[in-house]
Amino acid sequence: GNSVTQMEGPVTLSEEAFLTINCTYTATGYPSLFWYVQYPGEGLQLLLKATKADDKGSNKGFEATYRKETTSFHLEKGSVQVSDSAVYFCALVNAGGTSYGKLTFGQGTILTVHP
Amino acid sequence: GAVVSQHPSWVICKSGTSVKIECRSLDFQATTMFWYRQFPKQSLMLMATSNEGSKATYEQGVEKDKFLINHASLTLSTLTVTSAHPEDSSFYICSARIRLSYNEQFFGPGTRLTVL
Repeated sequence: GNSVTQMEGPVTLSEEAFLTINCTYTATGYPSLFWYVQYPGEGLQLLLKATKADDKGSNKGFEATYRKETTSFHLEKGSVQVSDSAVYFCALVNAGGTSYGKLTFGQGTILTVHP
Repeated sequence: GAVVSQHPSWVICKSGTSVKIECRSLDFQATTMFWYRQFPKQSLMLMATSNEGSKATYEQGVEKDKFLINHASLTLSTLTVTSAHPEDSSFYICSARIRLSYNEQFFGPGTRLTVL
């Protein structure tokens, strides 16, 4: 079956530090990969996505590249802000099989950015 | 575009009562909606997949009679927690998918249920 593994948190950084949150996956076929962000007390917002190998998703200074050879989709940002403090979820969805269209989430990584 | 709303945003109820949560797609038609449950500091757990006009498909371990899901129209799905108990307290999130778009879901803001 499908699975997503994220680096364990929480991650605490100072403002303007470099951020990496690792994400690796196991899936059959060619899944689409996502990063979602959840702010306290809210639902999930799509941060970025990539639908095929070597695609790079980017948004709001965040980037992630779909690496099929390493089955990874690591999230990076060059300079984090206090407002980036949230929980980040890596996820995948498959186009086929019994899990068609269902999102599989990683466990989430709590990011706290201090001024 | 692609806005999903949930109502109520939070609810407190007594043990033994039933609670209904609505999920609406405001500016698109959602042939499929998903219901998730999230415990504090944990990931989202898919409870069920709801297709318009048909019965919901529940994930293994989710009680169908406990969590009633209805998807009566292309813009509305409801989750009813029947005979709620304190262990049902959780954050419930829905998402909606546009027809023919298997890989894009739009999430609602969530509903915080507290059962006393």
